[in-house]
Amino acid sequence: GDSVTQMEGPVTLSEEAFLTINCTYTATGYPSLFWYVQYPGEGLQLLLKATKADDKGSNKGFEATYRKETTSFHLEKGSVQVSDSAVYFCALNEWAGGYNKLIFGAGTRLAVHP
Amino acid sequence: ETGVTQTPRHLVMGMTNKKSLKCEQHLGHNAMYWYKQSAKKPLELMFVYSLEERVENNSVPSRFSPECPNSSHLFLHLHTLQPEDSALYLCASSQDGGTSGYEQYFGPGTRLTVT
Repeated sequence: GDSVTQMEGPVTLSEEAFLTINCTYTATGYPSLFWYVQYPGEGLQLLLKATKADDKGSNKGFEATYRKETTSFHLEKGSVQVSDSAVYFCALNEWAGGYNKLIFGAGTRLAVHP
Repeated sequence: ETGVTQTPRHLVMGMTNKKSLKCEQHLGHNAMYWYKQSAKKPLELMFVYSLEERVENNSVPSRFSPECPNSSHLFLHLHTLQPEDSALYLCASSQDGGTSGYEQYFGPGTRLTVT
């Protein structure tokens, strides 16, 4: 079946550093791709998405580009803040023959220090 | 974010208790989901309801019993749980509209502790 692989964390950065969290996927079709963020004590929030190859999703300074040739959807941010400390999940949408479901990666914890 | 609400936010129960988790979505979606999130495992999809019909039961033990009385409400009934069932239980909803794929919106979760 479809799957998502994320880089293991934790990722520890200083404020204003550049962030990359790698995500690759395997899928039989052309799924939609998502990044979700989970802040401490909260549920998952949709951060950005891309629905087809070469699409770039962006939100709150974060970006990710749907790369079909490398089956990747890496998350980037040019200058992280302490408030970006959270767990980030990459996911793809799978059509399960009658309904949609999301396949999630294991999550990558980001810690940003002042 | 108030699109998907969950109650209670925290629950402590003994192994012989019966309790229910409630989820309500205010987004007009037609699909709802229960996930389990524990420290030792990635997000686990438990149940999927599409148009109020259960379409996936992901090998979940029978001590977890879902109920979807309408498209806006989803319950998870709990009985005779085990300590390893302690986790964050997340509800989500989406607009299921064919093969194009739609994002899911999550509630804040219920932190369950089984003693």
